[in-house]
Amino acid sequence: SQQGEEDPQALSIQEGENATMNCSYKTSINNLQWYRQNSGRGLVHLILIRSNEREKHSGRLRVTLDTSKKSSSLLITASRAADTASYFCATDAESGGGADGLTFGKGTHLIIQP
Amino acid sequence: SAVISQKPSRDICQRGTSLTIQCQVDSQVTMMFWYRQQPGQSLTLIATANQGSEATYESGFVIDKFPISRPNLTFSTLTVSNMSPEDSSIYLCSVVIGLGQPQHFGDGTRLSIL
Repeated sequence: SQQGEEDPQALSIQEGENATMNCSYKTSINNLQWYRQNSGRGLVHLILIRSNEREKHSGRLRVTLDTSKKSSSLLITASRAADTASYFCATDAESGGGADGLTFGKGTHLIIQP
Repeated sequence: SAVISQKPSRDICQRGTSLTIQCQVDSQVTMMFWYRQQPGQSLTLIATANQGSEATYESGFVIDKFPISRPNLTFSTLTVSNMSPEDSSIYLCSVVIGLGQPQHFGDGTRLSIL
């Protein structure tokens, strides 16, 4: 069963604004990854954050991880129309020793209004 | 990251037939996985493709319905057998180059069953 939950399920903002998406999970993890998917195509890997890390940056993306609350957030700053996509978090369970597949959240559909 | 080629990119099939999806990577990888994404849903792990041995299936997925092969460290196939309209989904392969590394996805195969 899906262990990750994202909120909000859908988010619509104006171009230039910041977008924040949240993810919660249920079991101990090795790492958490964020992906982007445009219109039902393949997934693009955005950021991997390990369980011993609290924050990570990549360009306009900032990811935080709070293992005590079993939650993560993805912040996209200065949003652009091209950021319109679905965003998923996915966890790699600690019990798998790093050799398991990922458990995905339900995703947030982000729409950037020009 | 590895370049992942998935074929076919899409297909429309008749009920009761089978389709084999191929996943080719341009370098040797440690892990390969297969996922299903039903319309409007998130991704669900089908199985881990094990090199030279039987795949490891997740709950709800069985070998008779989704036989998987992985003859070497760069190639895997997923067959969707005896298809019904409920099998209409996007099927995606993913790879991990090394333990603890990000999981990267192919562009997926969009499958429609009539």
